Amino acid sequence: GQQVMQIPQYQHVQEGEDFTTYCNSSTTLSNIQWYKQRPGGHPVFLIQLVKSGEVKKQKRLTFQFGEAKKNSSLHITATQTTDVGTYFCAGENYNQGGKLIFGQGTELSVKP
Amino acid sequence: GAGVSQTPSNKVTEKGKYVELRCDPISGHTALYWYRQSLGQGPEFLIYFQGTGAADDSGLPNDRFFAVRPEGSVSTLKIQRTERGDSAVYLCASSRGGTGELFFGEGSRLTVL
Repeated sequence: GQQVMQIPQYQHVQEGEDFTTYCNSSTTLSNIQWYKQRPGGHPVFLIQLVKSGEVKKQKRLTFQFGEAKKNSSLHITATQTTDVGTYFCAGENYNQGGKLIFGQGTELSVKP
Repeated sequence: GAGVSQTPSNKVTEKGKYVELRCDPISGHTALYWYRQSLGQGPEFLIYFQGTGAADDSGLPNDRFFAVRPEGSVSTLKIQRTERGDSAVYLCASSRGGTGELFFGEGSRLTVL
């Protein structure tokens, strides 16, 4: 079945450093979404990428969708303590519309 | 309502008991999802409803798990003969049309003793 893998599992950075998490799918995706979950909270939607090679930016966050639509990345520039949490990618297959499969997440901690 | 509402927020039960978890989605959202999340893991897909029908129930682990959405709004996840391995946070989410942003509830934390 479809698998979505994320690396790294954990990332500890100093405030101001950059952070990147990578997501790989075993199958070609129709779209990929990114979510953020704060400690003790629930996943909150960040963005959806649909087109091959798509790049979207939200302030200090840059999201990319690979040309083959099987991988994606999230890059945060100059991390802040408010960026702390776990970042999940979630992919949807072409023939399984509506079913989002989540990766295991990357937990980001930021030292002030 | 303003957001996805889940009840109870916490449920402690004994092994072998029956449990029901309720989800009230955002008004007007046709798609409803159930996920479960264990500590340190990503949400694990269980079932997805489009309207009243289960569009995809391939994530239900076994026949002890069942979910309904009889009127296309509120959904109930039912777990029979609970086992300790069922302990997790059960997350419900809804979306407008079955693709796009998922709005998650706060979850129901189930502990099976």
